[in-house]
Amino acid sequence: EPEVTQTPSHQVTQMGQEVILRCVPISNHLYFYWYRQILGQKVEFLVSFYNNEISEKSEIFDDQFSVERPDGSNFTLKIRSTKLEDSAMYFCASKRATYGYTFGSGTRLTVV
Amino acid sequence: GESVGLHLPTLSVQEGDNSIINCAYSNSASDYFIWYKQESGKGPQFIIDIRSNMDKRQGQRVTVLLNKTVKHLSLQIAATQPGDSAVYFCAEPGGGSGNTPLVFGKGTRLSVIA
Repeated sequence: EPEVTQTPSHQVTQMGQEVILRCVPISNHLYFYWYRQILGQKVEFLVSFYNNEISEKSEIFDDQFSVERPDGSNFTLKIRSTKLEDSAMYFCASKRATYGYTFGSGTRLTVV
Repeated sequence: GESVGLHLPTLSVQEGDNSIINCAYSNSASDYFIWYKQESGKGPQFIIDIRSNMDKRQGQRVTVLLNKTVKHLSLQIAATQPGDSAVYFCAEPGGGSGNTPLVFGKGTRLSVIA
């Protein structure tokens, strides 16, 4: 069964450093998402991406965040200057049509 | 306010019993709902979905019931097994079309007692 693949599974970074979280969505999917989940809390929407541009973003997705789909297979989330409160699980998701989201296993980001 | 929400944060059931996890939503325009299972350290895993033109949908050992009158849905797991222990989330596309981002409820942790 096709999977959404995320790397790394765990990233530890110093506060103020830049991090890039990587995702390989399912190959024939058209819509791409990043969500995050702070420990013990619900999954929160960050950004959606369709047709090579951001289609929607939440209040969390401020100027410190950016996304790219550089080569038609990868979908990345960059945090320019990490803060302690960015520590969370980050999930990538993709879907082809209106329904049918598939989530990756996540990257646990720890900012120290 | 939150579009979807769960009544109970934790649920403990005996192995073999049936489990019922509840979810309330506030947007009457919501037309599609999904239940996800999240095991520790993993991403949300699709369990079952239902569209608003249905009241009930059954899968393997799972049933989702939708009551549009009171804006409530439930996930029923038959003959609960230890492998069912996880956090369960309901989600819906923010009351918009299926292409709008999912809004997740807070989650119910299901613990199965052997």
